[in-house]
Amino acid sequence: EDQVTQSPEALRLQEGESSSLNCSYTVSGLRGLFWYRQDPGKGPEFLFTLYSAGEEKEKERLKATLTKKESFLHITAPKPEDSATYLCAVPSNQAGTALIFGKGTTLSVSS
Amino acid sequence: DGGITQSPKYLFRKEGQNVTLSCEQNLNHDAMYWYRQDPGQGLRLIYYSQIVNDFQKGDIAEGYSVSREKKESFPLTVTSAQKNPTAFYLCASSRDTSSSYEQYFGPGTRLTVT
Repeated sequence: EDQVTQSPEALRLQEGESSSLNCSYTVSGLRGLFWYRQDPGKGPEFLFTLYSAGEEKEKERLKATLTKKESFLHITAPKPEDSATYLCAVPSNQAGTALIFGKGTTLSVSS
Repeated sequence: DGGITQSPKYLFRKEGQNVTLSCEQNLNHDAMYWYRQDPGQGLRLIYYSQIVNDFQKGDIAEGYSVSREKKESFPLTVTSAQKNPTAFYLCASSRDTSSSYEQYFGPGTRLTVT
């Protein structure tokens, strides 16, 4: 069964304290791995797509990496405005181009 | 500006009533999706449509219905048969149905049923 697991569930950081979020997946024939940011009460905002092991993408203080079994979202020197829930997703093999989402990691950055 | 709109943002209904959530996109995307999000849970797929006049059930379709009469519109009806309808509902669309293109989401509708 296709599955996405994110850890930790919650992460509290001080401003400037770098860390990583993990997304592990079990799906045959990966057709991409997607990272989203979601603020409370809003729809997810697309961040990155990764397609193959070894690929990396960067945006401001965020860098996403992909291996054959997991992806990491590295946050370098975070700021309070980076506080949000980060969601990871992969395409389902049973539902066309629909995505299977992990439960997310809620990041809180304090100044 | 291109994007996805959902209305209303908040919706309150009495138990036993059907309610329809609106989703419109002007991105010219072929595929559209409905997800449900509960506190502490990931997004779960309700229905998806890859082309006009065709749609497929997702993991939790029971108690819901959809239609896709126009490319731009994919309304979701929450029926009285849905046992726990109170949730945050998200509509999304994606560019292509032959590859895995990223999905773009609307702002969501929060439905409360009492």
